[in-house]
Amino acid sequence: QQQVKQSPQSLIVQKGGIPIINCAYENTAFDYFPWYQQFPGKGPALLIAIRPDVSEKKEGRFTISFNKSAKQFSLHIMDSQPGDSATYFCAASFEYNFNKFYFGSGTKLNVKP
Amino acid sequence: EAQVTQNPRYLITVTGKKLTVTCSQNMNHEYMSWYRQDPGLGLRQIYYSMNVEVTDKGDVPEGYKVSRKEKRNFPLILESPSPNQTSLYFCATGDWGTSTDTQYFGPGTRLTVL
Repeated sequence: QQQVKQSPQSLIVQKGGIPIINCAYENTAFDYFPWYQQFPGKGPALLIAIRPDVSEKKEGRFTISFNKSAKQFSLHIMDSQPGDSATYFCAASFEYNFNKFYFGSGTKLNVKP
Repeated sequence: EAQVTQNPRYLITVTGKKLTVTCSQNMNHEYMSWYRQDPGLGLRQIYYSMNVEVTDKGDVPEGYKVSRKEKRNFPLILESPSPNQTSLYFCATGDWGTSTDTQYFGPGTRLTVL
């Protein structure tokens, strides 16, 4: 049973659009929620992460929104560019020791010029 | 430059032939972990290590072994590989400080077990 459910599986947007990727979790003990970006042939790279003491976090064009009561979090990419075309993964972990990580199934984003 | 190296990058082997995938890091991170990536399943954690001589199971540890005798190295051992272990494997390190989070993944090892 997947602990973190991610949608959509794939997403196509035009340049300048705002793709939104959603993730949901069940385990209320999770308290660290990172997002990763992966280009073909490369390992994932940590993009941005949020802890549940805030409802939103921005880093450049990337924003995480977090809804603790709904047990959902999402990634928004503002002013998306063709260079943002990649696979994005959400994950969940435990801040007390960051030992176990549970990943979503991934979203393949294609930003058309 | 922060670096996680994995060797080999590609490996084709046969069922039952023991193999080791090496992972080395230069960031002095205490935390290291192994994942496998399969289509539609995302990344699944195999084993992790919080420090030298401290290892524990992740979500999918069956058929794998690890050891952490030095801080920089965290090899993944398949004692008797089977076709269902055909996958893309990533090693990762991490450090979660009070002001910054850092995590680095290796370039991946594509393993095929015939």
